[in-house]
Amino acid sequence: SQQGEEDPQALSIQEGENATMNCSYKTSINNLQWYRQNSGRGLVHLILIRSNEREKHSGRLRVTLDTSKKSSSLLITASRAADTASYFCATAVSGTYKYIFGTGTRLKVLA
Amino acid sequence: KAGVTQTPRYLIKTRGQQVTLSCSPISGHRSVSWYQQTPGQGLQFLFEYFSETQRNKGNFPGRFSGRQFSNSRSEMNVSTLELGDSALYLCASSLAGRTSGNTGELFFGEGSRLTVL
Repeated sequence: SQQGEEDPQALSIQEGENATMNCSYKTSINNLQWYRQNSGRGLVHLILIRSNEREKHSGRLRVTLDTSKKSSSLLITASRAADTASYFCATAVSGTYKYIFGTGTRLKVLA
Repeated sequence: KAGVTQTPRYLIKTRGQQVTLSCSPISGHRSVSWYQQTPGQGLQFLFEYFSETQRNKGNFPGRFSGRQFSNSRSEMNVSTLELGDSALYLCASSLAGRTSGNTGELFFGEGSRLTVL
C-alpha cells in the first residue's frame, strides 16, 4: 500500500498541553500537507511544507520535514478543546495529482 | 466565495443499485478529485479531473467512474453497489494547473455519506 502511516493513532491531552503527531510517507514528494477533519466532515487544509524546507510555522502549528527519513511531524502548541479532530498528512505522488493520505491521528483535547 | 458543494449529503441504497454523486468546485478551480473514506481503509484516492479529462486514477474497480463538465462540476457514479461501498465520498477542488508539480492546497466539500444495505 502506498498509504502513509501516522502515529500515534489516537492522542488524548489536557487543554493547554502540546500535541505532537508524526507522519511517514513512501514516495518522493514536492511538498507535504497537513489537514484536519472534524468528525464525519470534510478536511480542512492546515499547512503545506515544501520538500526543500525543514520547518514551518503557522500560528500555533509547527511542522517539520525530514526528507531523508521520509517523515514529518505536526506540533500543536497550547491546545484547545476546539482542536479535537483527526489530523492527516498528505503527499502527492511525484508527477501526478494523486494525493496519498496518512492513516490519521485522532486528537482529543480535554477541557 | 462559495466553497466546494457536494450533493446529496446523505443517501441510502441497496445492493445492486447505482448512485451518482455531484460536486461543484470553488469558482475558478479546474481540478476536481474524489476520495473514498472508510474506517478500515482510510482516505483512498479515486480519480482526478482537469478540463473534462481524467488525469489520474486510483485502484478501484471499473464500477467506479466519474466525469467532469465544461463548467468544472464533476460527478462520480458507482454501479452495482456492494456493502463495502458504504463510505464517506469526498470531493476536493484545487488551483492545480495543466502541468505536473503544481500540487497545492485541496479544498474539500463536506462529503456524501453513502450507506449500502
